[in-house]
Amino acid sequence: QSALTQPASVSGSPGQPITISCTGTSSDVGADNLVSWYQQHPGKAPKLMIYDVSERPSGVSDRFFGSKAGNTASLTISGLQSEDEADYYCSSYTSTKTFVFGTGTKVTVL
Amino acid sequence: EVQLVESGGGSVQPGGSLRLSCAASGFTFRNFWMYWVRQAPGKGLVWVSRLKTDGTYTEYADSVKGRFTISRDNGKNTLYLQMESLRTEDTAVYYCVRGGMGNTGLDHWGQGTLVTVSS
Repeated sequence: QSALTQPASVSGSPGQPITISCTGTSSDVGADNLVSWYQQHPGKAPKLMIYDVSERPSGVSDRFFGSKAGNTASLTISGLQSEDEADYYCSSYTSTKTFVFGTGTKVTVL
Repeated sequence: EVQLVESGGGSVQPGGSLRLSCAASGFTFRNFWMYWVRQAPGKGLVWVSRLKTDGTYTEYADSVKGRFTISRDNGKNTLYLQMESLRTEDTAVYYCVRGGMGNTGLDHWGQGTLVTVSS
């Protein structure tokens, strides 16, 4: 159960878009549309931002957009804001009936 | 308001045992799959286990299989994690999580309970 691969850090200026990638295999990300994304501020519990690749829970800003192509999922934040500065994790259900999280990405707003 | 409150964390020596509990409120507990996710200090999230609504089906990460047991009491709205043969690498904050969005979206998280395994 190797962790999904995410960039360690991504940064952008306020108002700019950024994209975080999440690369797995045909046994996890590529197997089905069961990818989720979580935001975690320091010292806080994670918060669900995207589920089933591209669905947004109510209350989550429409600046957050999820997508997937093959074995790579992506989270795009459009119009970056200061409150978006946090760690982000992707997650996928796998063909071996387990879950795997990504390595995590620290988003910095310049 | 959905609330998940973990308890039972603490310090234990390698080889020891602990039982974590998670008291759920604000929703119909018996209708939701429940999960445990952990996070070692300064590290990323790691899935531990999940349990079906009626308690009849479980899944575990390879790293805890055979040592940890997830269970629930739907009458008491409580989720449990029995941890045996603890190792130093099990040191982490353990989160109780509700699986409430779509097929696998984890939509509500507790604040976590810290488990420290050290001699």
